[in-house]
Amino acid sequence: ETGVTQSPTHLIKTRGQQVTLRCSSQSGHNTVSWYQQALGQGPQFIFQYYREEENGRGNFPPRFSGLQFPNYSSELNVNALELDDSALYLCASSLTLNTEAFFGQGTRLTVV
Amino acid sequence: AQSVTQLDSQVPVFEEAPVELRCNYSSSVSVYLFWYVQYPNQGLQLLLKYLSGSTLVKGINGFEAEFNKSQTSFHLRKPSVHISDTAEYFCAVKLNSIIQGAQKLVFGQGTRLTINP
Repeated sequence: ETGVTQSPTHLIKTRGQQVTLRCSSQSGHNTVSWYQQALGQGPQFIFQYYREEENGRGNFPPRFSGLQFPNYSSELNVNALELDDSALYLCASSLTLNTEAFFGQGTRLTVV
Repeated sequence: AQSVTQLDSQVPVFEEAPVELRCNYSSSVSVYLFWYVQYPNQGLQLLLKYLSGSTLVKGINGFEAEFNKSQTSFHLRKPSVHISDTAEYFCAVKLNSIIQGAQKLVFGQGTRLTINP
């Protein structure tokens, strides 16, 4: 059984560009959550997808958007990148709602 | 809304000494409680969780935590630490609810545990 995998592991983008981060959930898991972890901070909830529908969103602007596919993998898209978007982006999958979250290794995004 | 406060940003201890990492939370409704560990350049790994039942919870790597409802605390302890325990530790809460938007983990700022030989 494979765990949660994220790609790419590292990424450098220029301010104003757009980025797509990908997450493959653990086998059988239908719920995916995304978190942003700025340097020296705890992770902050961005949004969650349950069976391809958004199921809650944190305090992030609309330029942060996502998708969940029929195989329950997920994407996080960020438009008009800002320097403050530089962070570790973590994906977590759960068997279903209200069950334990398993985290991937994260994608380190640097905006220059 | 829930919030989590980790009272120590850094905790240095000597190898084989005991350690306690403190966590207090705020919530008006029932919550689940978690401790995660993050090694350098890694994601988060679950150490232990409190869902219900016994207030003393045992986790991996010899860690344990005690849920104290009256003090709204969930402190993490280990009787004897090793060099390999050097990492960032995060306390987190989640509402005991399936209401939309309630499934998020709310994390503290983290405690950097450094083990010195």
